[in-house]
Amino acid sequence: DVKVTQSSRYLVKRTGEKVFLECVQDMDHENMFWYRQDPGLGLRLIYFSYDVKMKEKGDIPEGYSVSREKKERFSLILESASTNQTSMYLCASIRGLAALGSYNEQFFGPGTRLTVL
Amino acid sequence: GQNIDQPTEMTATEGAIVQINCTYQTSGFNGLFWYQQHAGEAPTFLSYNVLDGLEEKGRFSSFLSRSKGYSYLLLKELQMKDSASYLCAVRSPYGNKLVFGAGTILRVKS
Repeated sequence: DVKVTQSSRYLVKRTGEKVFLECVQDMDHENMFWYRQDPGLGLRLIYFSYDVKMKEKGDIPEGYSVSREKKERFSLILESASTNQTSMYLCASIRGLAALGSYNEQFFGPGTRLTVL
Repeated sequence: GQNIDQPTEMTATEGAIVQINCTYQTSGFNGLFWYQQHAGEAPTFLSYNVLDGLEEKGRFSSFLSRSKGYSYLLLKELQMKDSASYLCAVRSPYGNKLVFGAGTILRVKS
């Protein structure tokens, strides 16, 4: 049974704190993603990683950084949390690149609802 | 630019058929996904279209017209458990990056 897990379901932090969100997948997937989900805006890509130690900015990387030291683990870091980073954070993983015209399914973790006070 | 539009909310009756539309304007296209997301849960995969036409999978079908930048998800014989958000996402031709629409909240009433 495929699985993507996230370290916390709910998290409350204070403005200015450094926040770590952890994501682990047990499917040996090469690609991992961090999204945030806000009402009316849908899922927006923060960062993604195609392989260990590789990372690329998504659409809204400002205020975030990531770390991929091991294939199974992808961490999202909020260097100095702000109230506008209150959101649902979703991690996802997907196996490599699919053949042309085909696809590999993207699997999501259960999400972390972060509140910054 | 990237723009994916879906209706914000829809309501339908148990046993009925509902069609959720998605229009997209993206820089490149390598397939369109539909996901279902129940409140407080992770999105789960429903369907994938890369060629024009209809893909049927049980009570759910998905249609794609690449020339029109248009897709729809058709849900037949609606059940109460189909009440959820439905997310349309377009895959970039470069890697596995997905761009999501804001999602459509479907409410099924008895």
